[in-house]
Order: sequence, then C-alpha cells, then structure tokens
Amino acid sequence: GDSVTQMEGPVTLSEEAFLTINCTYTATGYPSLFWYVQYPGEGLQLLLKATKADDKGSNKGFEATYRKETTSFHLEKGSVQVSDSAVYFCALSASLSGGSYIPTFGRGTSLIVHP
Amino acid sequence: EAGVVQSPRYKIIEKKQPVAFWCNPISGHNTLYWYLQNLGQGPELLIRYENEEAVDDSQLPKDRFSAERLKGVDSTLKIQPAELGDSAVYLCASSPRGGGPTDTQYFGPGTRLTVL
Repeated sequence: GDSVTQMEGPVTLSEEAFLTINCTYTATGYPSLFWYVQYPGEGLQLLLKATKADDKGSNKGFEATYRKETTSFHLEKGSVQVSDSAVYFCALSASLSGGSYIPTFGRGTSLIVHP
Repeated sequence: EAGVVQSPRYKIIEKKQPVAFWCNPISGHNTLYWYLQNLGQGPELLIRYENEEAVDDSQLPKDRFSAERLKGVDSTLKIQPAELGDSAVYLCASSPRGGGPTDTQYFGPGTRLTVL
C-alpha cells in the first residue's frame, strides 16, 4: 500500500534559522501531495499542496516541490519564527480503482523554534 | 464560515462500554472522513463518505466499529464494545464536492477517547 516517511522529530531551531523537513513517499498511483500543520491545541490544517510532478506548493513562507524522480516532497522555510512551532504532517492521496482513494499521512514531525 | 464541529471533545469510558462520536462537517462539503490518530502517529483513515454513501471503509474494524451519515450531512462513529487499545484521538474531516484525491481536507479538533 501507499506510505509516507517523515524525518524523526523533534526538530529544534533558533528563530530565523533555515528549516527542512524531509518527506518521501511510495504510491502505486499518481498521488497528490500535502503538508498539513497542527498548532498546539488546534486541529490539522492545510499548509500547502502540489498535485503534479514539479509543482511547487507555497504558503506563509513555506515551500515544497513535488519531485517524482526522487519520490519526495520536502518542506522548507528560509527563516522560521517562534510561531511556526507545531507538528507538521506530510500526506498523499492517490486515485485507486473505482474512484476510491485513501489519504495516507506520515507520523508527523514536531518543530520547536526558540527565540 | 464555521469549521468542522466534533463532540464530545473528551470521553473517558470503561472497557466493554459503548461510545459514540458526532461530527458536523462544513456546510456544503459532500465528502466526510473519519480518522483514528494514535499518540505520536499520523491520522489513519477509518471511513470516507460521499454524501450518505460509504465509499472507502476497508480500514474500519467492522466487528466493533460502525458509522452512519444518514442524510449526507452530519455523521456518527460508534464503537461497541470499546477495548483498551481503542484509546486514541478520533478525527473528522470534510472536503468540498468532486475534487477527489486532490481536495483539501478541513479537520475538526478531534475527540480524545480514553478507555480504562
């Protein structure tokens, strides 16, 4: 079945540092790729997505590029803020037979940003 | 626009007792998802509805779990009887009509279940 692998956390950074959170996937179909973020005490919310190869999703200074050749969708931000502290989930969703699809999530990577 | 509403937010029960969770999706969202999230893990799909039809339920443990979405709006997920291993957060999400796997999902805050 489909799967998503994320780097282990927590990732601890100082404010204004560069962030990379690695995400790789395996999928039998041609998936759409997502990053969701969960801030403390809140539900998951979409951060960005990409639906075809070489697409770049971006939002709030975060970026990720759909790399089909390396089956990756790494999340990056040039300068993190304390308010970016959260858990980040990489996810995919690919069409299966008969209109079926099963969204698949990674285990999440906790980001802690210190002032 | 109101978000996805779930209730209760927290539930503590004894093992072998029944429990039910309720979800009201964003108005106009035809697709509704129920997920289970264990501590330190990502959400795992239990069931997906398109309107009132369950279209992906292969991961729902049907011996003890059931779900319904009778009028294609709100939904209920039930466990009967609950086991210790069912302790987790149960998430509901919804997405707009028709987009399929490219759709953005909108998540509720979840129900944290503790089975003693």
